[in-house]
Amino acid sequence: AQSVTQPDIHITVSEGASLELRCNYSYGATPYLFWYVQSPGQGLQLLLKYFSGDTLVQGIKGFEAEFKRSQSSFNLRKPSVHWSDAAEYFCALHGETSGSRLTFGEGTQLTVNP
Amino acid sequence: DTGVSQNPRHKITKRGQNVTFRCDPISEHNRLYWYRQTLGQGPEFLTYFQNEAQLEKSRLLSDRFSAERPKGSFSTLEIQRTEQGDSAMYLCASSLGGISPEAFFGQGTRLTVV
Repeated sequence: AQSVTQPDIHITVSEGASLELRCNYSYGATPYLFWYVQSPGQGLQLLLKYFSGDTLVQGIKGFEAEFKRSQSSFNLRKPSVHWSDAAEYFCALHGETSGSRLTFGEGTQLTVNP
Repeated sequence: DTGVSQNPRHKITKRGQNVTFRCDPISEHNRLYWYRQTLGQGPEFLTYFQNEAQLEKSRLLSDRFSAERPKGSFSTLEIQRTEQGDSAMYLCASSLGGISPEAFFGQGTRLTVV
């Protein structure tokens, strides 16, 4: 069985502050990992992905994520948050043994204070 | 690049009625997925097509749900005899598959069953 856990349901940061959203996964091998962002009433936009190789991956909008096999984690980071980053963030896993489905975490809602 | 297109964006229906949603994937993508997302949750996998073949179905997809992808292009998701529990956002995604498993999502169809 595979699963994704996002321990923080809601995070509030001030504009300009740094951000780290946590993601832990359970899977028997190295999965493909993704971060998506969703604005209210909208679909999901792909921020970044990890397949293999360099464990620090860069994405759009200034986001990056680091894959840590020893911790089964794939945390999302941004050095300076903008008000427009307020949204819900989903971590997702795609495993070779899971067919082609993505397994999502429950999401982290990000609020940005001015 | 027109992205993944879903219609309608919103649907309100009375309990017991049938509804049908349409998804137009990115044109060169041969894989198409349907997910369901309820409030405060991450998307849950429903079904997946490789070209016109429906290769995987979740146990969430009861016998009231049917999906088709004729000719491997657009897809439809039909829900018969809708129930209030069917109220959710229905998301469609497409991907190239193979070495590019990342999925690109449409804006979703918000279904409300009254």
